[in-house]
Amino acid sequence: GAVVSQHPSRVICKSGTSVKIECRSLDFQATTMFWYRQFPKQSLMLMATSNEGSKATYEQGVEKDKFLINHASLTLSTLTVTSAHPEDSSFYICSARDALAGTGELFFGEGSRLTVL
Amino acid sequence: GNSVTQMEGPVTLSEEAFLTINCTYTATGYPSLFWYVQYPGEGLQLLLKATKADDKGSNKGFEATYRKETTSFHLEKGSVQVSDSAVYFCALARAGNNRKLIWGLGTSLAVNP
Repeated sequence: GAVVSQHPSRVICKSGTSVKIECRSLDFQATTMFWYRQFPKQSLMLMATSNEGSKATYEQGVEKDKFLINHASLTLSTLTVTSAHPEDSSFYICSARDALAGTGELFFGEGSRLTVL
Repeated sequence: GNSVTQMEGPVTLSEEAFLTINCTYTATGYPSLFWYVQYPGEGLQLLLKATKADDKGSNKGFEATYRKETTSFHLEKGSVQVSDSAVYFCALARAGNNRKLIWGLGTSLAVNP
């Protein structure tokens, strides 16, 4: 199946710094990618929909200035957690849909665990 | 609103045991239902899906039947293997909006040899 890769898989940073997480579709083009957040013992929460070449669509309650999303190409979307704080520590997951396959299936990255000290 | 309720884990079974992971949902209209699996160190993968009532999704020996009368989509496998150890997520997508999945909490399954 199609492959989505996230990098880094784990990152530890100091409070106040910014962290960038990359999501790449390795063997297909994705006009739309999705960013999720998962807290321990909770379900995945959709944060935003990343659209290639246009602004991301954020879910209610998600701060767009806090979580900057850039989808500059058909194979790459980035999530930047700005001025990170300990409460931003979480597991971030991206997913993408093959724009050409038309099956509607979502492919997920391995996730990125962010720990803010 | 729409929601998914999954049985809490962790679930621990011996190899070749029968597996059931319960999933019930609330939704307006006729949602599509999914089971995703996350193996250790890997991303989520679609395991199976069903798009209308009475549909049965199946893959890798796993099955789930879309039961509208009981609003359920329970995951079953007749004989689990050690390699089935993973976290299983039930999810639904509202009719006509497969982009926005609503997720259960996930159920961790450990299969011992």
